[in-house]
Amino acid sequence: EVVLTQSPATLSLSPGERATLSCRASQTISSSLAWYQHRPGQAPRLLIYDAANRATGIPARFSGSGSGTDFTLTISSLEPEDFAVYYCQQRSHWPLTFGGGTKVEIK
Amino acid sequence: EGQLVESGGGLVQPGGSLRLSCEASGFTFSSYWMHWVRQVPGKGLMWVSRINIDGRVTSYADSVKGRFTISRDNARHTLYLQMSSLRAEDTGLYFCVRDAHSSVLVQNWFDPWGKGTLVTVSS
Repeated sequence: EVVLTQSPATLSLSPGERATLSCRASQTISSSLAWYQHRPGQAPRLLIYDAANRATGIPARFSGSGSGTDFTLTISSLEPEDFAVYYCQQRSHWPLTFGGGTKVEIK
Repeated sequence: EGQLVESGGGLVQPGGSLRLSCEASGFTFSSYWMHWVRQVPGKGLMWVSRINIDGRVTSYADSVKGRFTISRDNARHTLYLQMSSLRAEDTGLYFCVRDAHSSVLVQNWFDPWGKGTLVTVSS
């Protein structure tokens, strides 16, 4: 099973700051990685798929990069609605697995 | 873009059964693979099961294989998860999820998601 390790567990930032979230895979997964945002009480939503492709309707401040085992989600300038938990997910190897999440909280 | 609304969760004793439902709207349900994903309280997400567009192809996580059955009714735009022989470790928030892109081949990216229905297995 591919283990996805997300860091940091919590990121404390202010609105307008840049957020950099990491996801590391226990084995190479090519570009088969997605990022999701989960706000409390709401349905999670897909932000990025295939490591770098923004999903429909996702603002340009969200960007993804990486391949192999190391991946990054960057939020260029945090908006109030961006404070949430972010998960990565891989589809390269069975079973499909998720990372443990990074909480982006208001500093 | 589509909406998914889950129902059927609740409190059940170990060894018991429960059937979850998910009503879909706003998209052509019969054109998409569908999935169930579970979130354990205080922990992360775990993929549970998936079903292809006509219901003939299904897959399960090892931990639920033989106990859970996924199915769909395309005429009713509804996805189901029949859960039996439930264990404490099956407790969690169960999300109904659509494959992100319509295709006869599964994409295994998830969008949109429902808000989830809570299953608690406890005596």
